[in-house]
Amino acid sequence: EAGVVQSPRYKIIEKKQPVAFWCNPISGHNTLYWYLQNLGQGPELLIRYENEEAVDDSQLPKDRFSAERLKGVDSTLKIQPAELGDSAVYLCASSLGLAGGYNEQFFGPGTRLTVL
Amino acid sequence: DAKTTQPNSMESNEEEPVHLPCNHSTISGTDYIHWYRQLPSQGPEYVIHGLTSNVNNRMASLAIAEDRKSSTLILHRATLRDAAVYYCILRDRGDSGGSNYKLTFGKGTLLTVNP
Repeated sequence: EAGVVQSPRYKIIEKKQPVAFWCNPISGHNTLYWYLQNLGQGPELLIRYENEEAVDDSQLPKDRFSAERLKGVDSTLKIQPAELGDSAVYLCASSLGLAGGYNEQFFGPGTRLTVL
Repeated sequence: DAKTTQPNSMESNEEEPVHLPCNHSTISGTDYIHWYRQLPSQGPEYVIHGLTSNVNNRMASLAIAEDRKSSTLILHRATLRDAAVYYCILRDRGDSGGSNYKLTFGKGTLLTVNP
């Protein structure tokens, strides 16, 4: 069974340029998460989707970050324009989203972004 | 969010048991204790979780103190592949109160396994 797929794995851009990350969750997983991980820190949640609906985007910097999950399957996270401080690993995770059950999160390998 | 405290780093020898401690003195009655780990250049992966009773699975054991203010992740025989950052996390049920939850990661414990 394929895990969470993310692309690209690495991205180098100059500041003020736009960038997009793509995530395909595990088949059948209703819940999708985007996390940001700075060097030496644990991941921090940016946004959580349940199907197409963003149910928690309180930590997403909405002035430059946007995300979408139009058909409730794959998702795209965009930064426009990128700043030097956005250099980090962007992780996508998914879970089944079963009501009343334990929903383990499965993480992808992440996209390492470097902003020059 | 209830917070956890873990040592920054620990070291062990291959094939020896490892006990990774976690303090969570402000845990609430409905908080689950989760452990995830992150191998180099990979995303985190689930290890184990529990509420009150000790738990065992194929990867590890989780020992929870009677007052639930601390817990210990036990790797029974460390291998080189167990070298990772281990995160102890208390579940945040979020505003929905349902089964979907937010994981609030700290810095974790960097485990080094010596051959």
